[in-house]
Amino acid sequence: RKEVEQDPGPFNVPEGATVAFNCTYSNSASQSFFWYRQDCRKEPKLLMSVYSSGNEDGRFTAQLNRASQYISLLIRDSKLSDSATYLCVVNEVSGYSTLTFGKGTMLLVSP
Amino acid sequence: GAVVSQHPSWVICKSGTSVKIECRSLDFQATTMFWYRQFPKQSLMLMATSNEGSKATYEQGVEKDKFLINHASLTLSTLTVTSAHPEDSSFYICSASPLDRKETQYFGPGTRLLVL
Repeated sequence: RKEVEQDPGPFNVPEGATVAFNCTYSNSASQSFFWYRQDCRKEPKLLMSVYSSGNEDGRFTAQLNRASQYISLLIRDSKLSDSATYLCVVNEVSGYSTLTFGKGTMLLVSP
Repeated sequence: GAVVSQHPSWVICKSGTSVKIECRSLDFQATTMFWYRQFPKQSLMLMATSNEGSKATYEQGVEKDKFLINHASLTLSTLTVTSAHPEDSSFYICSASPLDRKETQYFGPGTRLLVL
């Protein structure tokens, strides 16, 4: 069974803090990787793709380690609006979309 | 661009009734649409994949006769929960992949179903 594992949290952090989430995936043939954000009672929304070289989008940095089958997301200078559940998502097949979702890590940013 | 809508956004029904949920890609054509279900504090679980004009492919453990999927056009897929029971109460989310970006899925806002 193909799985994506995440620490469910919650991670409680103050505004301005830096927080990191980790994720592991079981299928070594996985092709592409993403972090999604899901707010309570809403659909998931793509936060960023994750590349082997690592990539950054503003306060968010994602890293991929294919050898260890490990993905990370770093959030710097946390904002109240960052409070959400962060889903690690893996696409199994190249040229097609077959997403496997982790259960998500909940982040709560407090004033 | 790349907007997906779902209707209804929520529904409450009696046990034994059937419920139809629509998923539309509003500004693009989608060869493939996906139906997911999410229970509280759980991950999204893929129920089925549907391609326009052909039968849906169901994931293991999902009853095709209970969850009827019709993908009649490149912009519309429907999921009908037949003879719904309280254990079918869940958050149902669809997504769609554009013709020219098959590795991408755009998600609808979800439909919350409560079966009494």
